[in-house]
Amino acid sequence: KAGVTQTPRYLIKTRGQQVTLSCSPISGHRSVSWYQQTPGQGLQFLFEYFSETQRNKGNFPGRFSGRQFSNSRSEMNVSTLELGDSALYLCASSLDPGGDEAFFGQGTRLTVV
Amino acid sequence: QKEVEQDPGPLSVPEGAIVSLNCTYSNSAFQYFMWYRQYSRKGPELLMYTYSSGNKEDGRFTAQVDKSSKYISLFIRDSQPSDSATYLCAMRSGGNKLVFGAGTILRVKS
Repeated sequence: KAGVTQTPRYLIKTRGQQVTLSCSPISGHRSVSWYQQTPGQGLQFLFEYFSETQRNKGNFPGRFSGRQFSNSRSEMNVSTLELGDSALYLCASSLDPGGDEAFFGQGTRLTVV
Repeated sequence: QKEVEQDPGPLSVPEGAIVSLNCTYSNSAFQYFMWYRQYSRKGPELLMYTYSSGNKEDGRFTAQVDKSSKYISLFIRDSQPSDSATYLCAMRSGGNKLVFGAGTILRVKS
């Protein structure tokens, strides 16, 4: 059974640009959550999607957005990149929003220069 | 004050030792508790998941939850050099928003 797939694995972008990251959850999982991991702040919740709807959002500026497609795949977008957006972006997959375990992908390492 | 407190370490132990990793939390609404292991440049790997007070064992790993004290622990028996990683506790009240501890760096020396 395939795990959570995140693409691309690595990205280098320039300040002011925008970026789109992709996440394919485990087959049959319908809930996708996104997290940002930095050395200073650790793992922080960005948002959660289920049935193409955002159910919950963390304390991040509006430059961070996401969406989910009918096949449960999800994308997140960061516009007007800042140096502080450099981080490991992780996607987590769960069966549904109500419970059960959350399984993470390998992440996308974003570097903003 | 953070909702979840976890000592970042590093914690250094000899091979074969019993390791104890701990987290405390302040939000009494947390009902579900997880431990993840993260190797360098990898995503977190789920080790243990529990939602009730008491102990849960899986191989060399035992997760312990004390809701009255708002305290959770992960014990690793017969630690191996391959256990060297960052261990993250995580918890949630409902939905899928996980709140993580800072992570404890564990080093097991051979």
